[in-house]
Amino acid sequence: KAGVTQTPRYLIKTRGQQVTLSCSPISGHRSVSWYQQTPGQGLQFLFEYFSETQRNKGNFPGRFSGRQFSNSRSEMNVSTLELGDSALYLCASSLGRGAYGYTFGSGTRLTVV
Amino acid sequence: DQQVKQNSPSLSVQEGRISILNCDYTNSMFDYFLWYKKYPAEGPTFLISISSIKDKNEDGRFTVFLNKSAKHLSLHIVPSQPGDSAVYFCAASVVGGGGADGLTFGKGTHLIIQP
Repeated sequence: KAGVTQTPRYLIKTRGQQVTLSCSPISGHRSVSWYQQTPGQGLQFLFEYFSETQRNKGNFPGRFSGRQFSNSRSEMNVSTLELGDSALYLCASSLGRGAYGYTFGSGTRLTVV
Repeated sequence: DQQVKQNSPSLSVQEGRISILNCDYTNSMFDYFLWYKKYPAEGPTFLISISSIKDKNEDGRFTVFLNKSAKHLSLHIVPSQPGDSAVYFCAASVVGGGGADGLTFGKGTHLIIQP
């Protein structure tokens, strides 16, 4: 059974640009959550999607957005990139809502220069 | 304001001994707690979880203890093995009520198992 797939694995962008990251959840999983990991702040919750609807959002500016498609695949977008957005972005999927059985992908390492 | 705290950034334990990783939380609404293990360049891997209605959950070498009155949980690994060397994250969530607010993570404890 394939795990959670995140693409691309690595990305380098320039300040001011925008970026789109992709996440394919485990087949059958309908919930997708996104997290940002930085050395200073640790792992922080960005948002959660379930059945194409954003159910919850963490404490991040509006530059961070996401969406979920009918096949449960999800994308997150960061506009007007700042140096501080450099981080590992992790996607996690689960069968349903709730904390049960979150499976994480390997992440996308974003570097903003 | 950090709602989930892991006060030990690192912990060194001899192979074969018990590893005890600690985690404190401040939000009394948390009702589900998880431990994840993370190797560099990989995503976190789920280890074990516990609901707030229990005070202990065991899975092989891993046992999680929850003390709700103290808002404290701990992960015990017995016996510790070299492959256990990794960063361990404690996470908490509000699940009751039909939804989740996402996982709130601690900043992690780097466990080093010495031969």
